Amino acid sequence: EAQVTQNPRYLITVTGKKLTVTCSQNMNHEYMSWYRQDPGLGLRQIYYSMNVEVTDKGDVPEGYKVSRKEKRNFPLILESPSPNQTSLYFCASSLNAPPTGGQYFGPGTRLTVT
Amino acid sequence: AQSVTQLGSHVSVSEGALVLLRCNYSSSVPPYLFWYVQYPNQGLQLLLKYTSAATLVKGINGFEAEFKKSETSFHLTKPSAHMSDAAEYFCAVTEGSSNTGKLIFGQGTTLQVKP
Repeated sequence: EAQVTQNPRYLITVTGKKLTVTCSQNMNHEYMSWYRQDPGLGLRQIYYSMNVEVTDKGDVPEGYKVSRKEKRNFPLILESPSPNQTSLYFCASSLNAPPTGGQYFGPGTRLTVT
Repeated sequence: AQSVTQLGSHVSVSEGALVLLRCNYSSSVPPYLFWYVQYPNQGLQLLLKYTSAATLVKGINGFEAEFKKSETSFHLTKPSAHMSDAAEYFCAVTEGSSNTGKLIFGQGTTLQVKP
């Protein structure tokens, strides 16, 4: 089944404790991206990747890191999480880069930072 | 710079009534436009996309949208609302021709369908 998977789905952590949210797609897609969703703000792009070893900042990259060492995986790293990073996070992928054909979204990861 | 504005954070219609969700964009180059739907506790699902072919785009679940360059709009419509259409809807734009991977989403519109 074609899908984008994210792990974990739910995470509660404390300020300053490094964490990684994994994202994997099985569709051989070129493009992958991370978003955060906050009430009243819609989805905001954090980072995106047009291909392996090619990543770029979206609109809200501060406090986040990503890597794209292989095509299927695009982990999101929070080196020192803070409470303002409490949010719902989505990973997405697209066959094309840029994503002119639309994206497939993962199920989301709800992160709480206390 | 690109931007997307969705007019109305909440829209309420009766079952069987017309659904109209508004989206206006700004883009310095010809845009690629999308509508996504998000059901409660789920990820986003692509409803339809405009990629510079036909200006009237048909999507899934009976939805369609019309690209109007003169009005910089891409409003989403459905002739007859169904209870199962209750969800949050997002309009999004990317500037594919400029080869950037940036994607900008609107703030979302929650559609309520009353029996």
